[in-house]
Amino acid sequence: QVNLLQSGAALVKPGASVKLSCKASGYTFTDYYIHWVKQSHGKSLEWIGYINPNSGYTNYNEKFKSKATLTVDKSTNTAYMELSRLTSEDSATYYCTRWATTGSYWGQGVMVTVSS
Amino acid sequence: DVVLTQSPATLSVTPGERISLSCRASESVDTYLHWYQQKPNESPRLLIKYASQSISGIPSRFSGSGSGTDFTLSINGVELEDLSIYYCQQGNSLPYTFGAGTKLELK
Repeated sequence: QVNLLQSGAALVKPGASVKLSCKASGYTFTDYYIHWVKQSHGKSLEWIGYINPNSGYTNYNEKFKSKATLTVDKSTNTAYMELSRLTSEDSATYYCTRWATTGSYWGQGVMVTVSS
Repeated sequence: DVVLTQSPATLSVTPGERISLSCRASESVDTYLHWYQQKPNESPRLLIKYASQSISGIPSRFSGSGSGTDFTLSINGVELEDLSIYYCQQGNSLPYTFGAGTKLELK
């Protein structure tokens, strides 16, 4: 079955960067885009962008273009999102998700806390 | 960006009743409108895709309708396990956007 396993919670200092991982299994990794979604505590969901694992092509929400960098490692079926120059506004839960015409699958989410 | 307005923000329900949640788009999204359920500390779960298409494993009491700018998620016979937050999301144009959510609570 399809599974997206995300890395554990992260506590990072303001101004630092963090790289989140999302390991896919149960399907052909290169057949589906991986999307990333942000959810601040108690708030709604924001689409950050997607990456085509086959080509590496990315498409970002303008709001996150200078914040997030999406990459993949096809050898390990893993997608990554690096968040840079972190501030308190970046404290949130981040999800990787696979969307397709047949439905969607979501990782369990990873909580990022930005604090000194 | 397409703005999705969900109403009401909170809905108090009684088990067994039929309810409808609304999602309005600031411009047409055709039928590229999906509904999610999210319970506390869980990932969103897809309930309805492309406005009205059912998802395998989702109870039949959930249904969706609409096209263009007006959409509805209906629950025919609310159960206690349905108390959660519901989001609509459009996949018609980038950036993809979500509504602010409707919270179902017990009356």
